[in-house]
Amino acid sequence: KAGVTQTPRYLIKTRGQQVTLSCSPISGHRSVSWYQQTPGQGLQFLFEYFSETQRNKGNFPGRFSGRQFSNSRSEMNVSTLELGDSALYLCASSAGTGGTAFFGQGTRLTVV
Amino acid sequence: QKEVEQDPGPLSVPEGAIVSLNCTYSNSAFQYFMWYRQYSRKGPELLMYTYSSGNKEDGRFTAQVDKSSKYISLFIRDSQPSDSATYLCAKGAGGTSYGKLTFGQGTILTVHP
Repeated sequence: KAGVTQTPRYLIKTRGQQVTLSCSPISGHRSVSWYQQTPGQGLQFLFEYFSETQRNKGNFPGRFSGRQFSNSRSEMNVSTLELGDSALYLCASSAGTGGTAFFGQGTRLTVV
Repeated sequence: QKEVEQDPGPLSVPEGAIVSLNCTYSNSAFQYFMWYRQYSRKGPELLMYTYSSGNKEDGRFTAQVDKSSKYISLFIRDSQPSDSATYLCAKGAGGTSYGKLTFGQGTILTVHP
């Protein structure tokens, strides 16, 4: 069974640019959650999509957005990048009903 | 107060030791708990999942939940150098909060030969 796939693995962007990250969940999973991981703040919840609808949202500015497609694949977009957006962005795949959640390897974003 | 509190360590133990990792949490709504292991520059790897009070064992790992004191623990028996990693506890909630996990800060563990 294939795991959670995140692309790209690494990104370097300039302040003010925008970026799109992609996540393909485990086959059959309908929930994709996104997290930001930094050394200072740890793992913080960004948002969750379930069956193409945003079901939960964390405390991040509106520059962070996402969507989910009918095949459950999800994308996350960050507009007007800031230096503080440099982080490891992780997505987690689950059935969406309180069971186990599996993470991808993450996308390491560096904003310069 | 953070919703999930975890001592960041670092924790250093000799090979073969029993390791105890702990978290406390607030909010008493329906919850489930997970422990993840994260190696440097990798995504978190699920180790244990539990939703009820008591112990759950899987090989060298035992997860313990005490809902009365809002305390969760992970025990690692016969620790190995390959167990050196950051260990993260996570709490999930039910209802409309399914899919949202709240994490502790992570405990950095080093097992030296």
